[in-house]
Amino acid sequence: GAVVSQHPSRVICKSGTSVKIECRSLDFQATTMFWYRQFPKQSLMLMATSNEGSKATYEQGVEKDKFLINHASLTLSTLTVTSAHPEDSSFYICSASLQGNSPLHFGNGTRLTVT
Amino acid sequence: AQSVSQHNHHVILSEAASLELGCNYSYGGTVNLFWYVQYPGQHLQLLLKYFSGDPLVKGIKGFEAEFIKSKFSFNLRKPSVQWSDTAEYFCAVNVYNQGGKLIFGQGTELSVKP
Repeated sequence: GAVVSQHPSRVICKSGTSVKIECRSLDFQATTMFWYRQFPKQSLMLMATSNEGSKATYEQGVEKDKFLINHASLTLSTLTVTSAHPEDSSFYICSASLQGNSPLHFGNGTRLTVT
Repeated sequence: AQSVSQHNHHVILSEAASLELGCNYSYGGTVNLFWYVQYPGQHLQLLLKYFSGDPLVKGIKGFEAEFIKSKFSFNLRKPSVQWSDTAEYFCAVNVYNQGGKLIFGQGTELSVKP
């Protein structure tokens, strides 16, 4: 079945540095990928929709200059957390779908810890 | 704005007990509905989905859910739970024609005692 790979699975960084998270669709082309954030004991919150070849669409309250999204190819989207702060520590999850309204396939997530 | 509400935050059951987890959504138009499960330390997995047709859908591992349009509900059920069903369960809604964007409920933690 469709597989979405996320890398790295865990990352620890210092405040003020930037971290890049990759999301790859391994056996299908995803024109659209989604980035979610999950705080401990909470649900997934959609951060942004990543569209191949165009600018990402951010949800209300998500700083686009802080969470940079690039979707340069049909199989890769990246999320860069710039100038990270401890409050950015969270679980980031990407997803992709084969087409339109088909069920999303999720990556394993990235645990970001900012010290 | 669309929203999804899961009524139970934490459910504790003994093995072989029956399970029903509530899910309600707020949107008057056409929706697709999903239940996902997240086992401890693992990523989200799709349990079942409803797009159209028979409102009673069956998923993996003996789970089923019923879409009741008049109640804006999509409750998850299982007749007899097992210890291995211990996990976090998320209901999610996809508004038709908004692509793969999902709105998730708060999640329900299910603990099954052996």
